Amino acid sequence: DQQVKQNSPSLSVQEGRISILNCDYTNSMFDYFLWYKKYPAEGPTFLISISSIKDKNEDGRFTVFLNKSAKHLSLHIVPSQPGDSAVYFCAASAWSRRDMRFGAGTRLTVKP
Amino acid sequence: EAQVTQNPRYLITVTGKKLTVTCSQNMNHEYMSWYRQDPGLGLRQIYYSMNVEVTDKGDVPEGYKVSRKEKRNFPLILESPSPNQTSLYFCASRANLDYGYTFGSGTRLTVV
Repeated sequence: DQQVKQNSPSLSVQEGRISILNCDYTNSMFDYFLWYKKYPAEGPTFLISISSIKDKNEDGRFTVFLNKSAKHLSLHIVPSQPGDSAVYFCAASAWSRRDMRFGAGTRLTVKP
Repeated sequence: EAQVTQNPRYLITVTGKKLTVTCSQNMNHEYMSWYRQDPGLGLRQIYYSMNVEVTDKGDVPEGYKVSRKEKRNFPLILESPSPNQTSLYFCASRANLDYGYTFGSGTRLTVV
């Protein structure tokens, strides 16, 4: 069963606009969430994370929002740049942190 | 440079011929994992290791073996590969449970 879901396989935005990538999870034991970015022919690279004690975490152009009651998190990229074009994976782990579950990924294309 | 190194990057093999994908990290990380990436399914964990000689199954362990005899190395072994193991494989490591994984560049395996 997919405990972490990214329902949009792709997203296309214009350079300079906001990109919003969404992620839903089903396991209420998850309390640590991460976003990874993946370019072709490379491994995923860590982007930003958030723990369940927060509802927002910012790092430069990237902000992650967590809505625990809705079991939903989102990644906002403002402003979007062509170099942000990649596949973005949402990931989550429970308190034991022994494993990390990933979503199927969303391919973001930022058009110049 | 801190990194996770996987070899080979590409491998084509025949059904039933044993193979090993090597993984090495130079960051002295305790935790290591193997994931496979398949279209529409995201990254699924095969096995993980919490320390030397300590390994455990992930979500899709069938048909795979691992060993952790040294801290830096975590090879993935396919004793009798089958076509359904054709996939993109990633090795990853992390320092502790409060950090995300650092991923290798991936191994694309094709079993014919």
